[in-house]
Amino acid sequence: EDQVTQSPEALRLQEGESSSLNCSYTVSGLRGLFWYRQDPGKGPEFLFTLYSAGEEKEKERLKATLTKKESFLHITAPKPEDSATYLCAVHNSGAGSYQLTFGKGTKLSVIP
Amino acid sequence: DVKVTQSSRYLVKRTGEKVFLECVQDMDHENMFWYRQDPGLGLRLIYFSYDVKMKEKGDIPEGYSVSREKKERFSLILESASTNQTSMYLCASSSVHYGYTFGSGTRLTVV
Repeated sequence: EDQVTQSPEALRLQEGESSSLNCSYTVSGLRGLFWYRQDPGKGPEFLFTLYSAGEEKEKERLKATLTKKESFLHITAPKPEDSATYLCAVHNSGAGSYQLTFGKGTKLSVIP
Repeated sequence: DVKVTQSSRYLVKRTGEKVFLECVQDMDHENMFWYRQDPGLGLRLIYFSYDVKMKEKGDIPEGYSVSREKKERFSLILESASTNQTSMYLCASSSVHYGYTFGSGTRLTVV
């Protein structure tokens, strides 16, 4: 059974204080790993897809990396508007039609 | 950009009512999904559909049914709403490279 574990559950950072969120996964064959951002009361919004170990993707202050067992979402010099819940999900190559397994998320709060 | 539209942002229904949650996507995606999201439990899959008139149970299908009569529309039905179905409901459609595209969610309260 696919498993996705995100840590920490919650993270408070001062504005400008860089840090990383972790997503550990267990799948029989990884087809893709996805990061989403979710603001309160809204649906998750797509950030990145990573396909193979060693791959990196960047967007503004966010950088996602992937190894064979985990992914990190690095946040450089965060701003209050980066406050949100960040979700990680994996697509198992054996799973039908793009069914994803989600972690429970990391709630990030950036304090001015 | 793919858009997934959920018909209501907020709903309040009474116990025992039949409730319909509607979801429409505009990108011709074959796959559509219904999740509920609760604090501490994360996203839990209720039902999904790979094609018109096709449906598959997810992890928590009890008390729910779905309908997919057209490719772009996927409806979630609560046959007899109960208070433990108070939740945020999220619809999604999927593609290869972007995983899921989610709707904005429906916050359902059953009183």
